[in-house]
Order: sequence, then structure tokens, then C-alpha cells
Amino acid sequence: GQQVMQIPQYQHVQEGEDFTTYCNSSTTLSNIQWYKQRPGGHPVFLIQLVKSGEVKKQKRLTFQFGEAKKNSSLHITATQTTDVGTYFCAGEPAGANSKLTFGKGITLSVRP
Amino acid sequence: NAGVMQNPRHLVRRRGQEARLRCSPMKGHSHVYWYRQLPEEGLKFMVYLQKENIIDESGMPKERFSAEFPKEGPSILRIQQVVRGDSAAYFCASSPNMYEQYFGPGTRLTVT
Repeated sequence: GQQVMQIPQYQHVQEGEDFTTYCNSSTTLSNIQWYKQRPGGHPVFLIQLVKSGEVKKQKRLTFQFGEAKKNSSLHITATQTTDVGTYFCAGEPAGANSKLTFGKGITLSVRP
Repeated sequence: NAGVMQNPRHLVRRRGQEARLRCSPMKGHSHVYWYRQLPEEGLKFMVYLQKENIIDESGMPKERFSAEFPKEGPSILRIQQVVRGDSAAYFCASSPNMYEQYFGPGTRLTVT
């Protein structure tokens, strides 16, 4: 079946450093979504990317969808302690009737 | 507009009992999804429903688990004869359009 991979599972950065994480799918996707989950909380929708090569920005967060629509990246500029949490990517395979496959997520910790 | 509501937030059941988890989607959302999350794991898709219909239940165990989304009232995820391995956080999400999903706060099920 389809797999969505996020490696590594944990990353620690110093406040102010930049952070980039990647998401790779075993199959071509119709769209990819990113969610953030704070400790003890629930996933919160961040963004959806649909077009090949698409880039979207939300303040200090930049999301990109690969040209082949099989991978995506999330870049955070100048991390802050409020960026702490687990970031999940979720892919919808082409023709999958909106069923999302989530990666295991990357848990980001930020040292003040 | 109230968010996705789930209740109860915490549920403790003894082995062999039934667990009934409720989800009220956001107003105007007709698509409901159930996910299961184990500690430090991603979200595992269980079932996708629209009003009165199960669209995709490929992630749901064949036995003991069932889900419904009646014409009136919340969506229900039912687990019969619970076992310790059913202990997890169960999240419901709703969507207006089969794209971005809005998650509820989850029900944390503990089986003793």
C-alpha cells in the first residue's frame, strides 16, 4: 500500500535557527497536506499543496510540493519556542477518494 | 462556528466492555473521518463516512469495530469487547469538501 515517510522522527534546534523537514511518498499524490500537533493536543490543518512545484508561505513557514508530486518540504525560518510540536504530512494518492495517509511526523523541540 | 466536538474526552473501559465514541462535525461539514493514534505514532486512517453512508472503511478492523453517521446526530465509533491493544487516542475529523480536515480534540481510550 501507499507509504508516506518522514525521517527523522525528532529534531532539536536552537531558537533562531532555521529548520527544514521532508516528506516522501511511495506513490504520486493528488495533493499533500501538512498538520501540526502540539503535545497533548489534536492535529491542526496548516496547508494544502495541489500543483506540481507549488510553493506556499505562511509567515515564517514555507511549504513546497515536489515537481513529481511525490515529496514535499516544510521550512521554518528563525525558529521560535512556539514552533514546538509534531509536524505531520499527509498525502492523498491520485484517485483515492480523499483518503489521507499520514506520515509518522517529526517532533520539533526548540531550545530557548 | 464551533469546532469539531468529540466526547467523551477520556474513556476508561475494562476488557470485554463496549466503548462508544461520539463526534459532531463542524456545521456544514458532511464528510467525517476517524483516525487512531498510538503514542509517538502517526494517525492511522480508520473510516470515512458521509451522512448515512460508509464511503471507505479499509482502515477499520473487520471485527469488533463499527462506525455510523446517521442522518440526525453525531457520528459514532463503536468498539465491542475492548482489549488492551485498543488503548489509543481516537480522533475524528470533518471536512466541507474532501480536502482539508478539521480535527476534534480526540477521545483517549484506556482499557484496563
